[in-house]
Amino acid sequence: IAGITQAPTSQILAAGRRMTLRCTQDMRHNAMYWYRQDLGLGLRLIHYSNTAGTTGKGEVPDGYSVSRANTDDFPLTLASAVPSQTSVYFCASSEGLGVTDTQYFGPGTRLTVL
Amino acid sequence: AQSVTQLGSHVSVSEGALVLLRCNYSSSVPPYLFWYVQYPNQGLQLLLKYTSAATLVKGINGFEAEFKKSETSFHLTKPSAHMSDAAEYFCAVIIGGASKIIFGSGTRLSIRP
Repeated sequence: IAGITQAPTSQILAAGRRMTLRCTQDMRHNAMYWYRQDLGLGLRLIHYSNTAGTTGKGEVPDGYSVSRANTDDFPLTLASAVPSQTSVYFCASSEGLGVTDTQYFGPGTRLTVL
Repeated sequence: AQSVTQLGSHVSVSEGALVLLRCNYSSSVPPYLFWYVQYPNQGLQLLLKYTSAATLVKGINGFEAEFKKSETSFHLTKPSAHMSDAAEYFCAVIIGGASKIIFGSGTRLSIRP
């Protein structure tokens, strides 16, 4: 069982380009999340989904979009990348959105926008 | 507003010494509290969580944390540090559902031989 996979592992991107970060989980979890991790700021929630077909905004959603066409996949798209989106991006999943549901994290994608 | 504060961005201890990583929260409702560990170039892994049952919570790798409502704290401890404990540790609080999780800024733990 792989858990959560993310692709690519790292990417250097020119400003203004469109980029999709991929996330796939094989645990049949209902809920999925995207975070960005920046030095000194911890992790901040970008978007989440509590089940296939539904999504919600987190703390820092601007400049990002997500979709949840099925249970396993939760891609994150940057429509027009800007340097402030340089960060490490983590996808996570949990069985549900309950307060006691443990979140499981992928290995991350390191994105640099020049 | 709910928040979580980790005191000390970097903590260094000797191998075999006590590990103490501090976390304080602010919340107007009973919180659910978590500690996660992140090893270099990896995602976060759950160490332990407090969900309003026992106030002393035991986690993996010999770590434990105690919820103290009067001090609004949830400090992480381990009696004897190992070299393999070197990592970044994040405290997190959830109020009102997993989509409302708030992470602290993290504490990097270094272990001296």
